[in-house]
Amino acid sequence: DAKTTQPNSMESNEEEPVHLPCNHSTISGTDYIHWYRQLPSQGPEYVIHGLTSNVNNRMASLAIAEDRKSSTLILHRATLRDAAVYYCILRDASGAGSYQLTFGKGTKLSVIP
Amino acid sequence: DAGVIQSPRHEVTEMGQEVTLRCKPISGHNSLFWYRQTMMRGLELLIYFNNNVPIDDSGMPEDRFSAKMPNASFSTLKIQPSEPRDSAVYFCASSFQAHSTDTQYFGPGTRLTVL
Repeated sequence: DAKTTQPNSMESNEEEPVHLPCNHSTISGTDYIHWYRQLPSQGPEYVIHGLTSNVNNRMASLAIAEDRKSSTLILHRATLRDAAVYYCILRDASGAGSYQLTFGKGTKLSVIP
Repeated sequence: DAGVIQSPRHEVTEMGQEVTLRCKPISGHNSLFWYRQTMMRGLELLIYFNNNVPIDDSGMPEDRFSAKMPNASFSTLKIQPSEPRDSAVYFCASSFQAHSTDTQYFGPGTRLTVL
């Protein structure tokens, strides 16, 4: 399975933008890049996903490098509610394992008031 | 929409007892997943059902664990007999299908403590 590398932790001030990086140098052409987050004492929740182009939704933006070996999740204005563990996950669209969500250790984001 | 419903939210039991965790997926979803989360191993997929049929149970730790999905709106994960090392948070998730672009929606989890 293609693997991802994320920093263990990051801090942000409230109401400032946050850029969460993810390296996936062994990504294949059929791997989608997904982001989930897990708030304290809750189950993971979907944030965003993309394949090649940058993506925006109401929660965040996903910037994907041209060579697809890295991506960045962007929270435009961090709030206290955004304090969570953020997981960058690759999902293979080509094979029988496309259902797999393989969680790594993620990045623990702390938001400072 | 109520989301994925899990019960109980907390379970404390003694070693050797049988434990049954329950999950109601989102209506209309065809895929259901059971995950386990521990500090040591993080989030791991235990088993995946599609249209009520188990497709991948390679993550089930051992024969003490079993999962069923008798219909589209209910699934159980049973541990018999339970051991202290089974203590973890167990999550159920569902998705419309299991394609690589389908979002998985997670329930709130069941925190299991085996004494």
